[in-house]
Formats: sequence, C-alpha cells, structure tokens
Amino acid sequence: GAVVSQHPSRVICKSGTSVKIECRSLDFQATTMFWYRQFPKQSLMLMATSNEGSKATYEQGVEKDKFLINHASLTLSTLTVTSAHPEDSSFYICSAGRLGVSKETQYFGPGTRLLVL
Amino acid sequence: GQQLNQSPQSMFIQEGEDVSMNCTSSSIFNTWLWYKQDPGEGPVLLIALYKAGELTSNGRLTAQFGITRKDSFLNISASIPSDVGIYFCAGQKTQGGSEKLVFGKGTKLTVNP
Repeated sequence: GAVVSQHPSRVICKSGTSVKIECRSLDFQATTMFWYRQFPKQSLMLMATSNEGSKATYEQGVEKDKFLINHASLTLSTLTVTSAHPEDSSFYICSAGRLGVSKETQYFGPGTRLLVL
Repeated sequence: GQQLNQSPQSMFIQEGEDVSMNCTSSSIFNTWLWYKQDPGEGPVLLIALYKAGELTSNGRLTAQFGITRKDSFLNISASIPSDVGIYFCAGQKTQGGSEKLVFGKGTKLTVNP
C-alpha cells in the first residue's frame, strides 16, 4: 500500500510555456500533499503544502503565482509551472501524507524531470 | 531553508561491509525518517522513528532516534550491491498545521562487488 504516482515522468518544454504535473495517491486518501524540488546532487526542498479544498501554503522564496497548485480531491494534486524558464528545470517530486498509527507519514511519488529549453 | 547535517557525504565500501551514517540538527523533531533514493526516482521510506531513544530494525537496516530528538543514525549490515543509492535523513515536525519534512543533504553509497 501507500503508492503515489506522478505524471508525466519527464517533460521537455519551450521557455515561456506552462507545464502541469499530476500527483495521485493510488490506494489511500491523502490528508495533505507536498511538492518538492530537487536540483542535481542536491537534497529535496519543500516548495508548498496543500490540503484538499484549500489554498496551498508556500515556503519562503517560492512564487505562488509561478507555481500554481490545485488540490482537487483527496487523491489528486497538480502543480503547474507557469511561463517556465530554463532555471525552472529541475526534478519535481510530490508526496502524500497518510495517517498511520499515530503519525502522518509522507510517501513520495517517482518524480517528474522538467527540462525547459 | 533549514537542513539537517548529514554525514558522511559519500561512502565507498566493499560488498559485505557494514555501513553507518548519521544526522544531527539544532532543532528538535517529532519524528525522524530515513529514505533511500535511486537515480531518477523518488525517495522510498526505509525506517520511521517516533520516540526518543527508539531503536528500530528493517531487515539489514537499523536506525535509532537520539534521546535529545536532535539526531539519528542508520546502520546497514552486510551491504549488497543493490544498497547503492542516496540515503536521506528527514526530520518531521508540525508547522502551520502540517507535518513538514526537513531533509539532510544525503549520503551517497557505493558498494563494490
């Protein structure tokens, strides 16, 4: 159990276009979903936290108008990178929080590799 | 943003050897987690630690949550080639109503057959 999927797995786009990434929890309902960005040979950095039906909470330094997050249901969250630029090229990973015995544990998706030309 | 101090940064070992890596923080965390990430994949949860002083095993992996809630170690015994990857520690704490994770910088493990 606790499977999280992401689509697409990789995407190449032209500078100035928008890209949508989907994150789905396949076998459980996620109380919260998180979006991370990981640059090469770096650690994961939290971008935003989203709860179903409410606005996402963005980490300091993350532009909410550039990285649009829609948490439509308890199993789906989307991240849209608007007007993408080459510096937005990165590995984007989502996670879904699942309430366990006593704590919420995050399970990660396989990631989406974004390359902006 | 805040990060945990994870060491060593990389390790090169022979198959069959034991491995140890650790993380420290100036902050207290409710939960410590250890993840493994293969190239081009998302992190996979290995062990979760919920109580200070807790020692937990998962097969050849053993991890402990420090008494002060500011550190943790992960041991891998009798390493095998498929242990290759990047291991991340993560501290979890409640912030803004959500359980947020703060990651270490990772330990890259290479196992020579």
